[in-house]
Amino acid sequence: DAGVIQSPRHEVTEMGQEVTLRCKPISGHNSLFWYRQTMMRGLELLIYFNNNVPIDDSGMPEDRFSAKMPNASFSTLKIQPSEPRDSAVYFCASSSTGRNEQFFGPGTRLTVL
Amino acid sequence: AQSVTQLDSQVPVFEEAPVELRCNYSSSVSVYLFWYVQYPNQGLQLLLKYLSGSTLVKGINGFEAEFNKSQTSFHLRKPSVHISDTAEYFCAVSFTGNQFYFGTGTSLTVIP
Repeated sequence: DAGVIQSPRHEVTEMGQEVTLRCKPISGHNSLFWYRQTMMRGLELLIYFNNNVPIDDSGMPEDRFSAKMPNASFSTLKIQPSEPRDSAVYFCASSSTGRNEQFFGPGTRLTVL
Repeated sequence: AQSVTQLDSQVPVFEEAPVELRCNYSSSVSVYLFWYVQYPNQGLQLLLKYLSGSTLVKGINGFEAEFNKSQTSFHLRKPSVHISDTAEYFCAVSFTGNQFYFGTGTSLTVIP
């Protein structure tokens, strides 16, 4: 099992640019979660999907953020336009119904200059 | 509404000493409880979980936690820490087993 895969691992971009973060969940898992981690705010849930459908996006900070899950094996988190305050580590996690555990990817460290 | 409180943001402890990391939660329904560990520049890894049954739960790396329903606590303990235990530790609760609510984390530093 390869675990949750995230790409890129590091992203440095300039303010105003579009950023796309990618996640491949563990095969067979039907729930996917996007988190953001910062020193100031800790670990925040941004959005989660169940069976590819967004269930709760109340954590998405503003309209600049959007997430999609076109199929069971791929999800993207997009920030357009990016701002310096978006700098953080973004984690993707997946789980399966009844498993009662979330498996985290290694994260994407985003720096917006 | 559910919430998780980790009372200590930083815990320094000498090598081979015991440690307890505190976690309290609030919920009006039954919950599942978890401890995750995050090593530097890595994702979160499950240490242990309480779903039901015995209130003393044993996890990886010699850690254990005790669920105390009356005190709504789920403190993490280890009788003797190693340098390699230096990491960030997160307590989490869930009532569906799906959506998790994480605490703010406790940074454990083991001093040689």
